[in-house]
Amino acid sequence: SQQGEEDPQALSIQEGENATMNCSYKTSINNLQWYRQNSGRGLVHLILIRSNEREKHSGRLRVTLDTSKKSSSLLITASRAADTASYFCATGFSGGYNKLIFGAGTRLAVHP
Amino acid sequence: GAVVSQHPSWVICKSGTSVKIECRSLDFQATTMFWYRQFPKQSLMLMATSNEGSKATYEQGVEKDKFLINHASLTLSTLTVTSAHPEDSSFYICSARGLAGGSTDTQYFGPGTRLTVL
Repeated sequence: SQQGEEDPQALSIQEGENATMNCSYKTSINNLQWYRQNSGRGLVHLILIRSNEREKHSGRLRVTLDTSKKSSSLLITASRAADTASYFCATGFSGGYNKLIFGAGTRLAVHP
Repeated sequence: GAVVSQHPSWVICKSGTSVKIECRSLDFQATTMFWYRQFPKQSLMLMATSNEGSKATYEQGVEKDKFLINHASLTLSTLTVTSAHPEDSSFYICSARGLAGGSTDTQYFGPGTRLTVL
């Protein structure tokens, strides 16, 4: 399976703390994307980082990509209770209509 | 912009019946649509990729005759689960990729359809 792995599988923190999630993958990629999913809902696109980029920011989100280690991390700073959700990384490939392969996901719980 | 809708949002059916799920891109033309399946507390598994006007490309292990995909226009793709059985109960999510003003690498996801087969 090409599906990547994410750790931790679950993360529980207090509001105001930072949350870091990691993603590893197995094959060469064109890009890596992070998505958020609230329970039983669709996915919301958070950020896309290309294979030639090392770091990207969007608001309270910071994503890094290390293609030599085939890994990425998502940092959420100053977390809020509303950040409670599942977070998935997805690797994109230049062939095959740019299909995405999703990682197992991290369930984040932010307590007030 | 870049809104994708799915209909229905949930459906309950009897074993042996067929169920059709629609996926629409509301404000952009989707050159490619993807169908995923998600079991509770698990990740999304890509089922198939569909391009307008051509046959869908199915991932390994996905039965083509059971999960019929039609991409009739640049804004509509349908997934039909034929002769549904309880093990087909799942959350089905579609996504669309196209000229939505952003990167064509970005997929925009629908809200999902929860299928329960009794």
